[in-house]
Amino acid sequence: EPEVTQTPSHQVTQMGQEVILRCVPISNHLYFYWYRQILGQKVEFLVSFYNNEISEKSEIFDDQFSVERPDGSNFTLKIRSTKLEDSAMYFCASRVAQGVVETQYFGPGTRLLVL
Amino acid sequence: GNSVTQMEGPVTLSEEAFLTINCTYTATGYPSLFWYVQYPGEGLQLLLKATKADDKGSNKGFEATYRKETTSFHLEKGSVQVSDSAVYFCALSTTSYDKVIFGPGTSLSVIP
Repeated sequence: EPEVTQTPSHQVTQMGQEVILRCVPISNHLYFYWYRQILGQKVEFLVSFYNNEISEKSEIFDDQFSVERPDGSNFTLKIRSTKLEDSAMYFCASRVAQGVVETQYFGPGTRLLVL
Repeated sequence: GNSVTQMEGPVTLSEEAFLTINCTYTATGYPSLFWYVQYPGEGLQLLLKATKADDKGSNKGFEATYRKETTSFHLEKGSVQVSDSAVYFCALSTTSYDKVIFGPGTSLSVIP
C-alpha cells in the first residue's frame, strides 16, 4: 500500500539554525499538509498546500516557516531560525481530494529537538 | 469554529474489558469523522472513518457510529488487548481539501 514517507526521523539542532524537514507524499495525491505535535499535546495544523501554493495556514505558521514542492515528489517544511518551542513531532500528510472527503494519510513524523 | 472534544483520560483497563472513548464535535455542514491511533513512539494511523450520518466505521475490532443528532462519534471495542495501548485521537474534516481537526487525544493503557 502506498504511504507517505518523511526524512529524517529525528533531528537535533541548535537554536537559531535552519532546518528542512522532507516529505514524499503519495504519488497521485494533490493536497499536502504539515502538522505538529508538541510532546504530550494535541496535533495542530500548520499549513495546507495545493497547486503549488499555500491554501491555508494557521497562526502558528509565521514568517519563520515556509513550504515548498521543489519537484514532482518532495514536499518540504523549512524553519528558518529555530526556537526552543519548535521542538515537536512534525507530521506530513497528503490527500487525493476530489469531491467526496477523502482520507488524509499521515507520514511517520520527524521528531525535531531544538537545543 | 469547528472543534472536537473527547475524554482525555488516561484510561486504564484490564485485558478483555469493554472500551468506550467518547467524542463529540462541533462543525458547520456535514463533516467526515475519523479515529486515528498513535502507538508509543510512532506516527498517526487511521483507525476508522465515517463520512455521513449513521455510517459505522470499523477496523481491528473497533467501531464508531456517526450520530448527527448527538454530534458524536464514540469509539468502542468489546474486548481490549494489551497491544491496544496507545493514544486515540478523534478528528474531523469538513471538505475534500480541508485540514483535519484533532481532539486532544485519549491515552489508553491495557494491563494484563
